[in-house]
Amino acid sequence: GAGVSQSPRYKVAKRGQDVALRCDPISGHVSLFWYQQALGQGPEFLTYFQNEAQLDKSGLPSDRFFAERPEGSVSTLKIQRTQQEDSAVYLCASSLAPGTTQYFGPGTRLLVL
Amino acid sequence: EDKVVQSPLSLVVHEGDTVTLNCSYEVTNFRSLLWYKQEKKAPTFLFMLTSSGIEKKSGRLSSILDKKELFSILNITATQTGDSAIYLCAVDGGSGAGSYQLTFGKGTKLSVIP
Repeated sequence: GAGVSQSPRYKVAKRGQDVALRCDPISGHVSLFWYQQALGQGPEFLTYFQNEAQLDKSGLPSDRFFAERPEGSVSTLKIQRTQQEDSAVYLCASSLAPGTTQYFGPGTRLLVL
Repeated sequence: EDKVVQSPLSLVVHEGDTVTLNCSYEVTNFRSLLWYKQEKKAPTFLFMLTSSGIEKKSGRLSSILDKKELFSILNITATQTGDSAIYLCAVDGGSGAGSYQLTFGKGTKLSVIP
């Protein structure tokens, strides 16, 4: 595709529900990143994939957060038992190779009630 | 811990003004500094800087990096209302082994009024 796409664009969940957020990176991009952006803040790193390998998950805030990229293309970020503090915009970015420019998707805005 | 600080946090100018946005950083192992523009959608890439003293330019926007003093500036000349956005500065600081995560500042919210 022309750019990084994410779905859904908006998600409302009741506290305790599980959610799954999808990211379609730019075709051929090896690296994929997930970031969390709270209101009024800059994005914060969650996790990084190189192809299908999750090389860094140091930013995941708790074991309720899980990400995968099984075929080295599409990625899913799953949040189990959502809490109100999980409300944020979740941004996905991809880059052609490690260390090159990261291009961002439009984000998924998650609201947990 | 890697740190990126942007100033000012918000700025209101009139169309036609020139603005300078600042970004200072402290990182473990600097690889690159990036500027993004964020409206109500995806942050869009503006510049990637890796070398000191070399100005990058795109239309009315330009940016330069000082690796000795650990800062970068983003200049916008002859501002237009379409420049209104949040400008994000991010650094690839090499903090994670095998990772290329970006550390972001809080952003500068620029408002350009007619």
